[in-house]
Parts: sequence; structure tokens; C-alpha cells
Amino acid sequence: ETGVTQSPTHLIKTRGQQVTLRCSSQSGHNTVSWYQQALGQGPQFIFQYYREEENGRGNFPPRFSGLQFPNYSSELNVNALELDDSALYLCASSLKVDRATEKLFFGSGTQLSVL
Amino acid sequence: QKEVEQDPGPLSVPEGAIVSLNCTYSNSAFQYFMWYRQYSRKGPELLMYTYSSGNKEDGRFTAQVDKSSKYISLFIRDSQPSDSATYLCAMRTQGGSEKLVFGKGTKLTVNP
Repeated sequence: ETGVTQSPTHLIKTRGQQVTLRCSSQSGHNTVSWYQQALGQGPQFIFQYYREEENGRGNFPPRFSGLQFPNYSSELNVNALELDDSALYLCASSLKVDRATEKLFFGSGTQLSVL
Repeated sequence: QKEVEQDPGPLSVPEGAIVSLNCTYSNSAFQYFMWYRQYSRKGPELLMYTYSSGNKEDGRFTAQVDKSSKYISLFIRDSQPSDSATYLCAMRTQGGSEKLVFGKGTKLTVNP
């Protein structure tokens, strides 16, 4: 086990709704990243948070937003859901030391289905 | 051209076979190279982590990086049915957000 936990494990929403996914990082890790994995594809980088600030963003629209809390837990929020948002959403935590990150450890993901 | 190319397979081998998995990439700035294993409906699990060129061995797994050819490989010796999973290559540059760029994954089945 990686020590990274995500909730919920599965979620069904309808188009246009909003969703919040949650992640609890591995103890001592100060960086959290979110990835989207569509069926049959590799994970795609959404964004990273370091010390509660966004530290890089992939090619995702602004309706994808996030938060990192002082205890290093994190949320991913998606507004105005579209059918193409159906995917496995993965949270990964890591420890950044001197602005360099070592290894990423992934949670089991939240499977989001948009109908 | 995608930044990272990986043959999605599927790949089916008998138990005990040597498995070779490969990725090519186009971004010469990539410095860190990883292989992840992903079981169905689970998150990726880090198998191998390599910086720059060279070989790294861990038990039955060997990772090779050839930066001059922009080519990385993962070898699995004495493959077991429990190795059946999707294998993802991933890589990143140094600094910045340090986002990982993944291949599509290769689905491997090891038959008893």
C-alpha cells in the first residue's frame, strides 16, 4: 500500500453537475498531483500543489480546480461536468526537498462516470 | 508525434518467459524515467525509477535507458502469472512542476 487514500472510489454524476474528489497524502509528503486516466490511456497530468499553492498545470480547462490543505490532504473539483470527464482520477503524493521531487506514490483512484 | 510512445499490446507470454517492454520519446529534456505497474481498477505502482542513462536491476526486473536513442526498456525475467497487469512507462524533466508524461501502457498476460 502507498499510504495515499482517495474517496469516493466510485461516483456517478450527470452532465452539468459539479463534483469534488478527495485525497489524503502519504504521511510527511508535501506535494500532491492529480491525474486523469481515460479508459485504455495513460494518466494525464491535471495539476500539482506544493505547500498549498498550485505548482504547475496541464492542458485542462479552468473548470478543473484544486485545493491543498495544511495537513496536505487535497481536493479536485470539476464544474459543469461533460461526458468526456468520465475517467479514473488519480491522486499522487510526493516529498519535495530543495524544490526537487523524488518518487510519486499513487492512490487507487476515483472512477467517475458522467451520464 | 506524441511525447511518449508505447505499444499497447496486448502481450501474452507463458510463465517463465522473459518479457521486454519498451517506450520511445521525443523530448530530449526528459531526465527521470519510471516504470509503473497497474492492476485492473487500481492506481499505478512504482516499479523502477532511473535517472539519466544506464541500467538498473531490482530482483527480476531490469530497467534500461538509452538517452541517445530516446528509448527505454523494462525486462522481466522468469515471468509469473502475478505479473499480469498493465505496465506504464513515465518520464519527466528536471525542475518545474515535475509532471510525469506517461505512455498508453502495455497490457501483459502471463499464462500458467
